Amino acid sequence: GENVEQHPSTLSVQEGDSAVIKCTYSDSASNYFPWYKQELGKRPQLIIDIRSNVGEKKDQRIAVTLNKTAKHFSLHITETQPEDSAVYFCAASVRGNNNDMRFGAGTRLTVKP
Amino acid sequence: EAGVAQSPRYKIIEKRQSVAFWCNPISGHATLYWYQQILGQGPKLLIQFQNNGVVDDSQLPKDRFSAERLKGVDSTLKIQPAKLEDSAVYLCASSLVRAAPITGELFFGEGSRLTVL
Repeated sequence: GENVEQHPSTLSVQEGDSAVIKCTYSDSASNYFPWYKQELGKRPQLIIDIRSNVGEKKDQRIAVTLNKTAKHFSLHITETQPEDSAVYFCAASVRGNNNDMRFGAGTRLTVKP
Repeated sequence: EAGVAQSPRYKIIEKRQSVAFWCNPISGHATLYWYQQILGQGPKLLIQFQNNGVVDDSQLPKDRFSAERLKGVDSTLKIQPAKLEDSAVYLCASSLVRAAPITGELFFGEGSRLTVL
């Protein structure tokens, strides 16, 4: 089955700097890649997603890039703010079914003011 | 719009005891999921319902875990008997998407944190 690896497990940046989180997946059939943000004690919430027919998607300070050949995708956060501090999870879905979705282990991002 | 509701938020039990968690999805969401999130790990799917039918329960430890979704709305997840390794946050999620291969956003509840002593 699908295996998703996420790096780094922890990331600390200064406010205003950029943050990059990378994920790799094993199944070349995966075609849907969402990113979820989970603040401490809160529920995971979708922040951005990308499908395999595009290479990049941007939403204000957040962008996701996908390299299907290398089977990896990345989350980019620019001009980080303290409220960006959270755990970020990537996921990959094979054949577009949510029951095939596999989550990475998460990255704890800390933005220092 | 009301979100996914879960209860209880916290539960502490001793090993070999039983526990049940309840989930009420967003109104109109046909698909409901139970995930197990062990500390430091990503959510792991336990079971997926489409209305009141099971779509996937391949990762549900059926010797001790059971789940049902009567009437295609609320759902309960039960663990009996609990083991130490069951300590985790149990997340319920729902989505509007009705059928594969289209995926959609998962709306998660706040989760039920289980501690097994």
